[in-house]
Amino acid sequence: TQLLEQSPQFLSIQEGENLTVYCNSSSVFSSLQWYRQEPGEGPVLLVTVVTGGEVKKLKRLTFQFGDARKDSSLHITAAQPGDTGLYLCAGARGDDKIIFGKGTRLHILP
Amino acid sequence: NAGVTQTPKFQVLKTGQSMTLQCAQDMNHEYMSWYRQDPGMGLRLIHYSVGAGITDQGEVPNGYNVSRSTTEDFPLRLLSAAPSQTSVYFCASTHSPSGGNTEAFFGQGTRLTVV
Repeated sequence: TQLLEQSPQFLSIQEGENLTVYCNSSSVFSSLQWYRQEPGEGPVLLVTVVTGGEVKKLKRLTFQFGDARKDSSLHITAAQPGDTGLYLCAGARGDDKIIFGKGTRLHILP
Repeated sequence: NAGVTQTPKFQVLKTGQSMTLQCAQDMNHEYMSWYRQDPGMGLRLIHYSVGAGITDQGEVPNGYNVSRSTTEDFPLRLLSAAPSQTSVYFCASTHSPSGGNTEAFFGQGTRLTVV
């Protein structure tokens, strides 16, 4: 059973377009994180959201935590080739387990 | 800062062989964990530890053992390797598994092939 469902699994878009990646669950999380992973490397944290309804911005990236703390989204404005990578959401449920989704592989075409 | 150090980076095992993947962190984090990453499966939690002397099972613990004798080290043991354990393994450490300070720091990964 996958506790965190990410969609889409793959996304290939042109440079300059906008996109949104979703992370959904039926469980409530005490916090949710988004990571980005490059080939041959471990994931690196982009953001942590803790409060229901919270919105955080990181340059062209906007992260939102759902009001019920069961879901999150990552929106990228004016995507650039440097945004290419694997984006992973991860949730902490309060039972000491940090669980990851399957990831969204993003490819930005120049 | 070294952060999280994993060794080896690559390993080929024959079916039935045993080995230990090493993981060390120098950030004084209490929480450490092991994940495996397979194509299309994201990161799946194998075992985790909330402090020295305490370990617990994650999502896919079968075939793996761990121990946590010190805060710094969290080795992962494969007792009898199977081809299904071919994967990339990541060790991670974090200050806390809950709340706002759950950033996980990952090692570089170990690419394991079992033939």
